[in-house]
Amino acid sequence: DAEITQSPRHKITETGRQVTLACHQTWNHNNMFWYRQDLGHGLRLIHYSYGVQDTNKGEVSDGYSVSRSNTEDLPLTLESAASSQTSVYFCASSEAGAHEQYFGPGTRLTVT
Amino acid sequence: AQSVTQLGSHVSVSEGALVLLRCNYSSSVPPYLFWYVQYPNQGLQLLLKYTTGATLVKGINGFEAEFKKSETSFHLTKPSAHMSDAAEYFCAVSSTGATNKLIFGTGTLLAVQP
Repeated sequence: DAEITQSPRHKITETGRQVTLACHQTWNHNNMFWYRQDLGHGLRLIHYSYGVQDTNKGEVSDGYSVSRSNTEDLPLTLESAASSQTSVYFCASSEAGAHEQYFGPGTRLTVT
Repeated sequence: AQSVTQLGSHVSVSEGALVLLRCNYSSSVPPYLFWYVQYPNQGLQLLLKYTTGATLVKGINGFEAEFKKSETSFHLTKPSAHMSDAAEYFCAVSSTGATNKLIFGTGTLLAVQP
């Protein structure tokens, strides 16, 4: 069955370190999204991509970057982790032209 | 700009009682509207969606929602709550343009009491 996976599921890192969170989907969806979920804020969009080599900034993109070298993967990189980036991160994907998104299981990141 | 407001961050109902979770949206263009459910330590699962056509939308697990343009609302209901309905519920809006981005509300945590 097609699915969307995230790894690792849990990560603890130190302030200042570079961290990369992986997202892999087998739906063959063109669109991929990264969100962070924080209490009282719901889900906020970090970055998104509409296809290979396309990336766009979302609402809360500062301190994060993404790259899209193939259809299946959209890794999220925290260049220099900060305590404010402690959160649960969700990856999602959707078909081109569709609005409903399908979510991965999430990665809980703690920055100490 | 689009936005979503979910009234009530916590809602508690008794098993068998009506579930009503409120969602109001703001959009300058015809919206697409969604409800997602999140069970503990899981990702979000699509419950139902409104795009065009019938304003009463039925979803999974017995949930339904009605799009009311005049009230800019898309409230989620279920006639009889089950213990398994305990979860967090998110309302989201997307524009009918080409961007496909979702704007989420802050969520409502539903507790179901025995």
